[in-house]
Amino acid sequence: DIVMTQSPDSLVVSLGERATINCKSSQSILYSSNNKNYLTWYQQKPGQPPKLLIYWASTRQSGVPDRFSGSGSGTEFTLTISSLQAEDVAVYYCLQFYSTPHTFGQGTKLEIK
Amino acid sequence: EVQLLESGGGLIQPGGSLRLSCAASGFTFSNFAMTWVRQAPGKGLEWVSAIRGSGDATFYAGSVQGRFTVSRDNSNDTLFLQMNSLRAEDTAVYYCAKVGTSGTTFPASWGQGTLVTVSS
Repeated sequence: DIVMTQSPDSLVVSLGERATINCKSSQSILYSSNNKNYLTWYQQKPGQPPKLLIYWASTRQSGVPDRFSGSGSGTEFTLTISSLQAEDVAVYYCLQFYSTPHTFGQGTKLEIK
Repeated sequence: EVQLLESGGGLIQPGGSLRLSCAASGFTFSNFAMTWVRQAPGKGLEWVSAIRGSGDATFYAGSVQGRFTVSRDNSNDTLFLQMNSLRAEDTAVYYCAKVGTSGTTFPASWGQGTLVTVSS
């Protein structure tokens, strides 16, 4: 199974500042035939189901604010929130869907300073 | 608008069985793979299972392989998860999710979840 490791486990950032969350896969999740990275990012607020933010590592889901961006390729990926808003307090997860079983990172809890 | 409504959760004794359902609406159900993801209390997300739109292929996490069976009824737009030989560690909120686009397998639209508690 592919192991997904997120860092840090928790993050405290001031309003308006940049937040960066990393995700590393134990093997490449770049599919050579279509040059796509099989990685998604989710946001989960307390008591709610996860919400899809980013797929193919860098494609923003419709309706997601443009302060959220994804980058990376191969085995190392990053979710960046360019200017943190109060409503961004949540736990963030990466997921690889390159192979089954699909696997999530352990989550990163984002809080406001 | 995609809507997914899970049901069937509850309290069950270890070793027991439970069948979860997920009623789907707002999209052509048979065109999309569906997934189950669970979350133990206070813990992270765990991918559990997936099934292709036609139902001809199924996939499982190692932790549930041989105990859980995913199926679907495309005539009634419903997804199922049959859970047998339940263990305390299966206690979780179980979410059903529609994949993002036809041909992909990542969860995109999620239901609100149903809680399964395995305890004596």
